[in-house]
Amino acid sequence: LAKTTQPISMDSYEGQEVNITCSHNNIATNDYITWYQQFPSQGPRFIIQGYKTKVTNEVASLFIPADRKSSTLSLPRVSLSDTAVYYCLVGDRGTASKLTFGTGTRLQVTL
Amino acid sequence: GAVVSQHPSWVICKSGTSVKIECRSLDFQATTMFWYRQFPKQSLMLMATSNEGSKATYEQGVEKDKFLINHASLTLSTLTVTSAHPEDSSFYICSASTLGGTEAFFGQGTRLTVV
Repeated sequence: LAKTTQPISMDSYEGQEVNITCSHNNIATNDYITWYQQFPSQGPRFIIQGYKTKVTNEVASLFIPADRKSSTLSLPRVSLSDTAVYYCLVGDRGTASKLTFGTGTRLQVTL
Repeated sequence: GAVVSQHPSWVICKSGTSVKIECRSLDFQATTMFWYRQFPKQSLMLMATSNEGSKATYEQGVEKDKFLINHASLTLSTLTVTSAHPEDSSFYICSASTLGGTEAFFGQGTRLTVV
């Protein structure tokens, strides 16, 4: 599984857009990029998944450049409830559950 | 989305006793479930893969005799921490996917405290 690198932590004010970038230089051709969110004392929750270009859903957007060596999770207008740890994972889509978690990015949103 | 439920949410046990944690897929069948462990301020670490009807596959460094996994049905996997010690205190999380699914669904986790 490709190794991922993310910032350890980020701070934001409520209402701002937050972009979290993940590096995955060794991503394989069959690998997808998936982001999960984890609140304290809870299991992770799926946010978004993509292969290339841009993917958008009701909570976030995922930007993936042509070389796929990085990706950016974009959270529009964050609120206090978005304070959590965000994990970027890279892997074969068929191994949806056998996941290798990196350090994640701890996002702190304040007023 | 699909729901995975763990029980109990938290448990305190005495050192030397065994504790069983259940992981259920509530609205789908899961031939494979995964167990993770997470220490405070750290990331999730995969412990083992639970396979319905067969032996679990353990990750390197995880003692199979200490962490017993049973996956007797398509909706239930159990993790038993045997002869628990304080260093086993951790947050245990299970996950599963629907057949052909591309996202993992996680249980709410079980906080184990060994005193």
